[in-house]
Amino acid sequence: GAGVSQSPSNKVTEKGKDVELRCDPISGHTALYWYRQSLGQGLEFLIYFQGNSAPDKSGLPSDRFSAERTGGSVSTLTIQRTQQEDSAVYLCASSFVVAGPLPPDTQYFGPGTRLTVL
Amino acid sequence: GQNIDQPTEMTATEGAIVQINCTYQTSGFNGLFWYQQHAGEAPTFLSYNVLDGLEEKGRFSSFLSRSKGYSYLLLKELQMKDSASYLCAVRSFSSGSARQLTFGSGTQLTVLP
Repeated sequence: GAGVSQSPSNKVTEKGKDVELRCDPISGHTALYWYRQSLGQGLEFLIYFQGNSAPDKSGLPSDRFSAERTGGSVSTLTIQRTQQEDSAVYLCASSFVVAGPLPPDTQYFGPGTRLTVL
Repeated sequence: GQNIDQPTEMTATEGAIVQINCTYQTSGFNGLFWYQQHAGEAPTFLSYNVLDGLEEKGRFSSFLSRSKGYSYLLLKELQMKDSASYLCAVRSFSSGSARQLTFGSGTQLTVLP
């Protein structure tokens, strides 16, 4: 597709359940990022993938959070045993390391997944 | 670590000019981005500065002073559709990776008729 896509757009789950959020980056983008945004707040960095390098997981808030990126493309963010404080919009972004129409490393964001934990 | 500060909220009148400031503290500075985010939508790229000075793009301009750790986004001829959150983001070699951005909390701009 032309842009970053994420699914589902909305997810309502019960406390204690596991959820999987999916991100399809722009084709050819080697970098992929996951962020979390609570209502009215800024972006909280979670994890970063760059090519075949080991991901930077420094932003993951707990070991209940994990992410993988298969084949250098699609990424899945998994939250185990969800808690109410996990409720937020989860945004995925991708970027390319060299300049194109926009400066290098410009991040293109997906529409996000709104997660609600009851 | 990095520290990015922006005002939380600003209000301006349609047709006016507004300046949104961003100050940052970082080592290994490697570029500053401004993003616009409408309510319920994803952030979209607005501007980029890596050298000192002013970058103009239509009604929007962005300024950078690396020695002062300071940037501003200038919006002219404000329109109602400019009501949004404006995010300042810094790229720095001090990040875990040179390609990551650290985002400020955003400035919520409300344009009044």
